[in-house]
Amino acid sequence: GAVVSQHPSRVICKSGTSVKIECRSLDFQATTMFWYRQFPKKSLMLMATSNEGSKATYEQGVEKDKFLINHASLTLSTLTVTSAHPEDSSFYICSASVLAGGGEQYFGPGTRLTVT
Amino acid sequence: QKEVEQNSGPLSVPEGAIASLNCTYSDRGSQSFFWYRQYSGKSPELIMFIYSNGDKEDGRFTAQLNKASQYVSLLIRDSQPSDSATYLCAVGMYSGGGADGLTFGKGTHLIIQP
Repeated sequence: GAVVSQHPSRVICKSGTSVKIECRSLDFQATTMFWYRQFPKKSLMLMATSNEGSKATYEQGVEKDKFLINHASLTLSTLTVTSAHPEDSSFYICSASVLAGGGEQYFGPGTRLTVT
Repeated sequence: QKEVEQNSGPLSVPEGAIASLNCTYSDRGSQSFFWYRQYSGKSPELIMFIYSNGDKEDGRFTAQLNKASQYVSLLIRDSQPSDSATYLCAVGMYSGGGADGLTFGKGTHLIIQP
């Protein structure tokens, strides 16, 4: 149980273009999903909290107009990196919180974004 | 600023021995504590979670929590080479109405020597 999928697993895009990443909870409903970013040799940094049917809450320093988050259903959240730049290249990982759980989060496999 | 501190390692442990991983956190209001295992290039995998002071055992893994000392640990018994990975300590606030984003430590790189 508690399987989270992410698509695509790897994407290369040109500077200035936009990239959409999907995060799905496959076997449970998640009112809350989270988006993290991890740079090489660094720990995960929370970018935003995505709640179904409401606006995402962004962490300090994360541009909401650059990282667009939509949580359209209890099983799907999307992150769109707009006007991507090389410094946006990173490992983006989503997680979902079990609806009736105690706060434990299950992570998707991650999306490795490379902006050229 | 919430902080989670871990020794980055590497921590080298012989196969079959007990691996002990430690973590301290700064926010006294933290209510939920997690250990994740992350292999290189992969996303984190939940190993254990603990909410109350004391020990929690699951198979070869034991999580220990001491809120007064703001200290969390993970013990891995009968260590196997497949346990070699980076172990991330994460701390959160569970308000009962939902979960909050987690604050992660930088991880401890564990090496199990055959």
